[in-house]
Parts: sequence; C-alpha cells; structure tokens
Amino acid sequence: EAGVAQSPRYKIIEKRQSVAFWCNPISGHATLYWYQQILGQGPKLLIQFQNNGVVDDSQLPKDRFSAERLKGVDSTLKIQPAKLEDSAVYLCASSLDSYYGYTFGSGTRLTVV
Amino acid sequence: GESVGLHLPTLSVQEGDNSIINCAYSNSASDYFIWYKQESGKGPQFIIDIRSNMDKRQGQRVTVLLNKTVKHLSLQIAATQPGDSAVYFCAENFGNEKLTFGTGTRLTIIP
Repeated sequence: EAGVAQSPRYKIIEKRQSVAFWCNPISGHATLYWYQQILGQGPKLLIQFQNNGVVDDSQLPKDRFSAERLKGVDSTLKIQPAKLEDSAVYLCASSLDSYYGYTFGSGTRLTVV
Repeated sequence: GESVGLHLPTLSVQEGDNSIINCAYSNSASDYFIWYKQESGKGPQFIIDIRSNMDKRQGQRVTVLLNKTVKHLSLQIAATQPGDSAVYFCAENFGNEKLTFGTGTRLTIIP
C-alpha cells in the first residue's frame, strides 16, 4: 500500500510569515495525526482527527496554528505567524484504527529564520 | 504529568552483537506500547508493539519485554546490522488513542 504522503519536504521562512503543510494519509485510514518533532526530541502530538472531526487538539497553539481535514481524507496544517521556536519537523501519521500503530510520513522540515 | 523516558540517550554496539534499548514509563494505566525506529530524514517506522496483558513479544530479530511491576519496557535487537543504526523511540498509549513518545535513544552499530 502507498504510504503517508507529505509536502513540501523542506521549507524555510522568515519569522512572522505563514506556512502550510499538506498530508495525504493511507487510503481508508480514518484517523490522522499531526506531530511536531523538535530536533533531539520525540514527536509531540498537535492534533488528532477522526474522519473530518477533531478528537484532540489540546496541545495545538491555536493562536497561530490551525488544521483541517476536508472530506475526511487530506489534511493541511497552517502556521500564521511563524516564530523561531516553530522550527521543527512536522510529521503526519494515519491509522486504520486508533488503537494500533500509526504509519508516519517522512515529514516536513520547517526552518524559521 | 505523565511521561515516557529512556535511560540512555546513546548506545554503541558492535555489528553482530545484540543490543538492548530500555524505556521507563510512569503511567500504570498505559495499556499499549510501541517501539519506533527513526532514520535520519525519515518519519518514525513501526517496529513492534505489545499490549499490557503480555510481557513478551517477538518479531524478526526483535523482542519487546514489558515489566509492569517496575513500569519498564525494553527492545532487544539480535545480531545487529549497520542498517539498525537509528534513533529508537518507545511510545505509550493511555487508552485515549494518543501515543506519547519518549525522547529517544540513538543506536550506533560499529562495523
């Protein structure tokens, strides 16, 4: 089966600019996650979708981050305005059933300068 | 708050030897654990999982051991190969469908 697709692979922006990341999960996977991974740390959950509804966004900085999952398939994560501390790899993952292991995409490496 | 931690941030092992990566968890209510492998520039890759009603599970060259008494998880890799060099994360699930990841251990295989 095809994996989780993410784009772009890399992005460099200046602080206070906006940026968007895109994710296409594995076909049929109802649950989609966005994780933030700062260099040298484990991934941290930002938001979890079940189909097109939000299950958990408790750790999403809602003043600058937003995410949507239209039609329960693709998802976008947006940051506006970006801060230096947002520099990280943004990982998208999906799962058939949320009680099983996720499949991760390769991530988008964001550098804010 | 609850957290997953690892005992050692780095581990170097001679090629062909066995390696053991350890992980401590703090939430006794966690009922599902996963080990992930992350190579440079890639997303985490599922290796093996174990549920709290088990204490051992084996895969191809990998074994996960769960000791609920001391809240300890380990990943054993047999006959290590250069391709095993990566960062390994343990993750736990509290039953709310959200995985919490530890910091990770960097495993280096010495040729």
